[in-house]
Amino acid sequence: GAVVSQHPSWVICKSGTSVKIECRSLDFQATTMFWYRQFPKQSLMLMATSNEGSKATYEQGVEKDKFLINHASLTLSTLTVTSAHPEDSSFYICSARVSGGEKLFFGSGTQLSVL
Amino acid sequence: DAKTTQPPSMDCAEGRAANLPCNHSTISGNEYVYWYRQIHSQGPQYIIHGLKNNETNEMASLIITEDRKSSTLILPHATLRDTAVYYCIVRLQRSGSARQLTFGSGTQLTVLP
Repeated sequence: GAVVSQHPSWVICKSGTSVKIECRSLDFQATTMFWYRQFPKQSLMLMATSNEGSKATYEQGVEKDKFLINHASLTLSTLTVTSAHPEDSSFYICSARVSGGEKLFFGSGTQLSVL
Repeated sequence: DAKTTQPPSMDCAEGRAANLPCNHSTISGNEYVYWYRQIHSQGPQYIIHGLKNNETNEMASLIITEDRKSSTLILPHATLRDTAVYYCIVRLQRSGSARQLTFGSGTQLTVLP
């Protein structure tokens, strides 16, 4: 199946700093990628839809100025958590769909811990 | 997308079949049933999907009732590595659609040695 690579796997940062998470489709082109967030013992919640070459679409309640999404190419989307605070500590997961395909493929996730 | 209902948790003995139920009584005729699983601290993994016919692949079988209001995911010979949260998702399928998956709370399957 298609492979989605997400990096880093985990990151620890100080409060107030920014963290960038990368999501790459390794063997296919992804016009659209999705970013999810998952808090402990909860399900995945969609944060935003990332479209190549255009602005991301954010879900209600997700601050677009805090969670910057860039989808500059068909194989790379990045999520930057700006001025991170402890409440942003969470598991962030990206996913992508092969153009014309049915299934979504997921990255391995990034555990963010903000001290 | 139609709402799904799954039991919060299930146990299964290693080597036995694991049967995970899902209710989707409001499913519409052109909505597919998808199953994903999430092993602890990893991203979700696609398992199988179907519309109305039963489906089988190398991972599992999907049995959809005739009225399509419920389905069962079957792992024929569960192993310890199958311990995960299993998500049943109903999704409208459109060619070229970029729609996301909406995850419910899923079923925590624990395979016991």
